[in-house]
Amino acid sequence: EPEVTQTPSHQVTQMGQEVILRCVPISNHLYFYWYRQILGQKVEFLVSFYNNEISEKSEIFDDQFSVERPDGSNFTLKIRSTKLEDSAMYFCASSLQGTREKLFFGSGTQLSVL
Amino acid sequence: RKEVEQDPGPFNVPEGATVAFNCTYSNSASQSFFWYRQDCRKEPKLLMSVYSSGNEDGRFTAQLNRASQYISLLIRDSKLSDSATYLCVPSTGGSYIPTFGRGTSLIVHP
Repeated sequence: EPEVTQTPSHQVTQMGQEVILRCVPISNHLYFYWYRQILGQKVEFLVSFYNNEISEKSEIFDDQFSVERPDGSNFTLKIRSTKLEDSAMYFCASSLQGTREKLFFGSGTQLSVL
Repeated sequence: RKEVEQDPGPFNVPEGATVAFNCTYSNSASQSFFWYRQDCRKEPKLLMSVYSSGNEDGRFTAQLNRASQYISLLIRDSKLSDSATYLCVPSTGGSYIPTFGRGTSLIVHP
């Protein structure tokens, strides 16, 4: 069964450093998402991406965040200058036909900012 | 009013029990509904999709009541492996973004 893959599974960084989280969505999917989940809290939407541009973003997704689809397979989330409160599990998801259809999630990247 | 409201639980049930969760939603334009389950520190995984009045898949049954704007999930013959958080996600399509609440926590004990 096709799956969304994310790397790395764990990322430890120092406050103020830049991190790039990587995702490979399912190959024929057209819609891509990033969510995050702080320990003990709910899954929060960050950004959606379609047709090579951001389609929606939340208040969390400020100027410190950016997304990119550098080639036909990867979808990345960059955090320019990490803060302690960015520590969370970051999930990438994709769907075939947008939000009418189910989301397939990757197994996540646990980001720890020290 | 929140988009989705679910009883956070936890629902603590013995193996073999039948348990039901309700989810009320505020957007009457919601067209499709999804139940996800999330294990501790894991990604949400789709459990069931509901596009009409309901859906059944083995031990799991989802029922939709559009008039009252709620959707339920029934789990029969609970297994230990059913222990997880169950998340209800309505969708209206278009640019609507799937948002997740805190879900309902289920603990199945021996």
